[in-house]
Amino acid sequence: DAGVIQSPRHEVTEMGQEVTLRCKPISGHDYLFWYRQTMMRGLELLIYFNNNVPIDDSGMPEDRFSAKMPNASFSTLKIQPSEPRDSAVYFCASRPGLAGGWQETQYFGPGTRLLVL
Amino acid sequence: DAKTTQPPSMDCAEGRAANLPCNHSTISGNEYVYWYRQIHSQGPQYIIHGLKNNETNEMASLIITEDRKSSTLILPHATLRDTAVYYCIAGDWAGNMLTFGGGTRLMVKP
Repeated sequence: DAGVIQSPRHEVTEMGQEVTLRCKPISGHDYLFWYRQTMMRGLELLIYFNNNVPIDDSGMPEDRFSAKMPNASFSTLKIQPSEPRDSAVYFCASRPGLAGGWQETQYFGPGTRLLVL
Repeated sequence: DAKTTQPPSMDCAEGRAANLPCNHSTISGNEYVYWYRQIHSQGPQYIIHGLKNNETNEMASLIITEDRKSSTLILPHATLRDTAVYYCIAGDWAGNMLTFGGGTRLMVKP
């Protein structure tokens, strides 16, 4: 399996522009997570989905951020409009379902490095 | 979720055991202890988790104190490739809402 795939790997944009980050989870995984990592705040959970449905979005910083999962193999995280403080590494992770009560782990993608000028 | 406290950095000699401590004095009875690590410029990687019993897998061992207020991750024979930031997390049984703290930056030296 190729693992979690994220694109683009690097993105440089100007303040005010729309940014779309993409994630393809591992096939068969029921859960998908979006995280953001900065030096100041560390690694933060933004939102997670179960079977394409958003379950908890309490970590989404503000209305400029939105996430969608139109099908089991694709998710997007959109920032509109982007600001310099959004510069960070954004990770996507996925995990299998909770079968039999045994916890499964999250598998992280390589991340997207976003720089907003 | 309970907060965890870890030393910011540690050194370990290659080939020796690395013992990474974690305090989680406010952990609740149904919270698990999860360990992840993040090698530079990569996404975090799961290592091990446990509730109250000690656990061992091919990567590491996890020792949880009887009162569950602290734990130790043991890498039995550290290699240079184990240099990473190690995160100790107290989370729910599903392991979904993980709160990553500052972690411990482990440097394995030749």
